[in-house]
Amino acid sequence: GENVEQHPSTLSVQEGDSAVIKCTYSDSASNYFPWYKQELGKRPQLIIDIRSNVGEKKDQRIAVTLNKTAKHFSLHITETQPEDSAVYFCAARPPYGQNFVFGPGTRLSVLP
Amino acid sequence: GAVVSQHPSWVICKSGTSVKIECRSLDFQATTMFWYRQFPKQSLMLMATSNEGSKATYEQGVEKDKFLINHASLTLSTLTVTSAHPEDSSFYICSAPPPRGRETQYFGPGTRLLVL
Repeated sequence: GENVEQHPSTLSVQEGDSAVIKCTYSDSASNYFPWYKQELGKRPQLIIDIRSNVGEKKDQRIAVTLNKTAKHFSLHITETQPEDSAVYFCAARPPYGQNFVFGPGTRLSVLP
Repeated sequence: GAVVSQHPSWVICKSGTSVKIECRSLDFQATTMFWYRQFPKQSLMLMATSNEGSKATYEQGVEKDKFLINHASLTLSTLTVTSAHPEDSSFYICSAPPPRGRETQYFGPGTRLLVL
């Protein structure tokens, strides 16, 4: 089945700097890749997503890039702010179902 | 739209008791719902897929006799943790696939279970 890896597990950046989180997936047929932000004790919130037929997508300070050949996708956050501090999860949706397989998560700390 | 609710938000129980968690899709019908478990500082791990009108599908390593799932209607799925033990203490989150035309899943707010 699908396996998703995520790096780094923790990331600290200064406010205003950029943060990049990378994920790899194993099933080349996976077709949808969402990114979630989860604050402590709360539900995951979708922040951006990308389909397999698109290479890049941007929404204000957040962007996601997808390399299907290499089977990896990345989250880019520019001009980071303290409120960006949270745990971020990438996920991949295999073609055989509606479920997502999640990466292990990255704890992002934005230092003021 | 596409709101998922979950109840209770937190529960504390004694070891050996059973706990029921409800997951509801409030403004759409969900023939499938997913149940995840999340231990502290870990990712979401799929436990089972709840299917309306049929048996749930459990992931490898998840005891179906311990985690009973019932998809009673197109808007309600329940997870019952039977004979709970301290190692079952975790954050349980349900989700539902979106209505037609959308991609992502919609997550419930989660239930924090503490078994003493």
